[in-house]
Amino acid sequence: EVQLLESGGGLVQPGGSLRLSCAASGFTFSSYAMSWVRQAPGKGLEWVSDISGGGENTYYADSVRGRFTISRDNSKNTLYLQMNSLRAEDTAIYHCAKAGMTTVSGAHYYYGMDVWGQGTTVTVSS
Amino acid sequence: DIVMTQSPDSLAESLGERATINCKSSQSVLYSSNNKNYLAWYQQKPRQPPKLLIYWASTRESGVPDRFSGSGSGTDFTLTINSLQAEDVAVYYCQQYYRTPYTFGQGTKLEIK
Repeated sequence: EVQLLESGGGLVQPGGSLRLSCAASGFTFSSYAMSWVRQAPGKGLEWVSDISGGGENTYYADSVRGRFTISRDNSKNTLYLQMNSLRAEDTAIYHCAKAGMTTVSGAHYYYGMDVWGQGTTVTVSS
Repeated sequence: DIVMTQSPDSLAESLGERATINCKSSQSVLYSSNNKNYLAWYQQKPRQPPKLLIYWASTRESGVPDRFSGSGSGTDFTLTINSLQAEDVAVYYCQQYYRTPYTFGQGTKLEIK
């Protein structure tokens, strides 16, 4: 069974740091791009960051670029999100998600996010 | 950034009826080289993570009931839910994965009358 399990959330003061982890199982982790998506209390979904399967390509939302760093350890099947200089507006549930992928004539096509973790809650408050 | 706008923000339909949710992107999400629309639909029930329903605008994810269907191309898309069931109560989101940032619509809350 494909599973994603986030951890590392908690209460942190403005300006502080946290590192989120996402443990993956049930699929060949290194073959798939991975994402972090957050949801502020009572709000909609916001894409935060993506990383390619090998980790060589990373992408960020403008709201977190320069403060957050996405990374992965394929030997440990784990995705990370290092969050620095946290602000009140970063308060949210953070989900990791696996990219959907199809292969046609040897070419890989990613399509959205087909598996999601339950999320870990980050609260930024003094 | 590609802005995704859903309509309506909320709707209520009776059991067994049809619900229709619209999604409009500020730029085309049709990739000409493979003729695919980079558009997905998700369902989120209370206290649960989102669930992928539809990708490539009209391809149903494995295990999703055929009551759910997606249509549209370019900038205008529709999610249709036929024969509404009580378990379809949720918030539905569209998302473009054509280019980063992979933006979501604001969500449409579906309730049963």
